[in-house]
Amino acid sequence: DIQMTQSPSSLSASVGDRVTITCQASQDISNYLNWFQQKPGKAPKLLIYAASNLETGVTSRFSGSGSGTDFTFTISSLQPEDIATYYCQQYDDVPITFGQGTRLEIE
Amino acid sequence: QVQVVQSGAEVKKPGASVKVSCKASGYTFTGYYIHWVRQAPGQGLEWMGWINPHSGGTKYAQKFQGRVTMTRDTSITTAYMELRRLRSDDTAVYYCARAHVTVGSLGYWGQGSLVTVSS
Repeated sequence: DIQMTQSPSSLSASVGDRVTITCQASQDISNYLNWFQQKPGKAPKLLIYAASNLETGVTSRFSGSGSGTDFTFTISSLQPEDIATYYCQQYDDVPITFGQGTRLEIE
Repeated sequence: QVQVVQSGAEVKKPGASVKVSCKASGYTFTGYYIHWVRQAPGQGLEWMGWINPHSGGTKYAQKFQGRVTMTRDTSITTAYMELRRLRSDDTAVYYCARAHVTVGSLGYWGQGSLVTVSS
């Protein structure tokens, strides 16, 4: 199975900060990587697909980059509504696997 | 608009089976894979498998092979996930999600179905 390692596991930042989350795959997954946001009690929401493509209707404050084994998710200016847990997910091979999640909090 | 609506919460005893439904609307049901993902309390996301609603073909995570069956009824645009021989560590919220743009991009999620396994 492809292991997805996210860091950090938790993060505290201030409104307006630039926030970066990284995800490393245990093998080359090309650009077969998605990013999700999950708020408490809610289903995950797709934010970025194929590593860098912004899902329709998602704020442009969110962006993704990377290919191969190293990927980055960035929030350009943190807003209170961004408080959530973020997950990366690879779909290069089955089983599809997720990172362990990054819990984002406001300072 | 695309909607994915799941069946309600279930409480089951260890050893029993559960069948969760996932009613899709607002698009051509047979055109997009449906995935099943679960999330144990306070834990991360775990992919269980997918079904191709067009062919009925399935792919399951090795962990669930032999215990899970994913089916669909195209006449009522509904997918199903049955998990057998339930254990306490199967207690989780079970989600179905429709693929989007790519087969592996889970773009439209159901609201989740809590399955509690308890004696």
